[in-house]
Amino acid sequence: DIQMTQSPSSLSASVGDRVTITCRARQGINNYLAWYQQKPGKVPNLLIYAASTLQSGVPSRFSGSGSGTDFTLTISSLQPEDVATYYCQKYNSAPFTFGPGTKVDIK
Amino acid sequence: QVQLVESGGGVVQPGRSLRLSCAASGFTFSRSPMHWVRQAPGKGLEWVAVISYDGSNKYYADSVKDRLSISRDNSKNTLYLQMNSLRAEDAAVYYCATTYSSGWYYPFDYWGQGTLVSVSS
Repeated sequence: DIQMTQSPSSLSASVGDRVTITCRARQGINNYLAWYQQKPGKVPNLLIYAASTLQSGVPSRFSGSGSGTDFTLTISSLQPEDVATYYCQKYNSAPFTFGPGTKVDIK
Repeated sequence: QVQLVESGGGVVQPGRSLRLSCAASGFTFSRSPMHWVRQAPGKGLEWVAVISYDGSNKYYADSVKDRLSISRDNSKNTLYLQMNSLRAEDAAVYYCATTYSSGWYYPFDYWGQGTLVSVSS
């Protein structure tokens, strides 16, 4: 099974900062990579799919890139409402493994 | 709009069984693959199982294989998760989830609110 890793595990940044989260697959998954945002006490919400396609309704400050084994999620200007844990997920084949998550908060 | 409503969670003793349900509406359930995802308290998301639109194909995470069983009843628009020989490490919020597309390899557009399973003697 393909394992997913994320870094960092947590970060603290100021409002307006550019934030980058990395996700790595142990084997190539083409672009079958999704990013989810889970705010405290809430259900996960799909942000990005196919590595770089923004889900409808997601603010344009979120962007994704990468292909193969290395992927990034970028928040171009961190906002207070972005406080959440972010998970990557592979969906090229079962098991549909999630990364361990990156917790983002405001400094 | 798409609605997924889980039920059946509760407190159960180790070694006992529990069946979770997920009632679906607002989309063509019989054409959609369905997933279970769980989240232990304070932990990350763990994908559990998937079932194809017609129930003919199923796949499980290694951690639950042989103890948890996914099934569906398309006549009732309902997804199930039969949980046997429950362990402390099965304690989690269990979410059902599905995709906008009818295909297998798509991200999870829709999630239920989850149902909490606690395993304790």
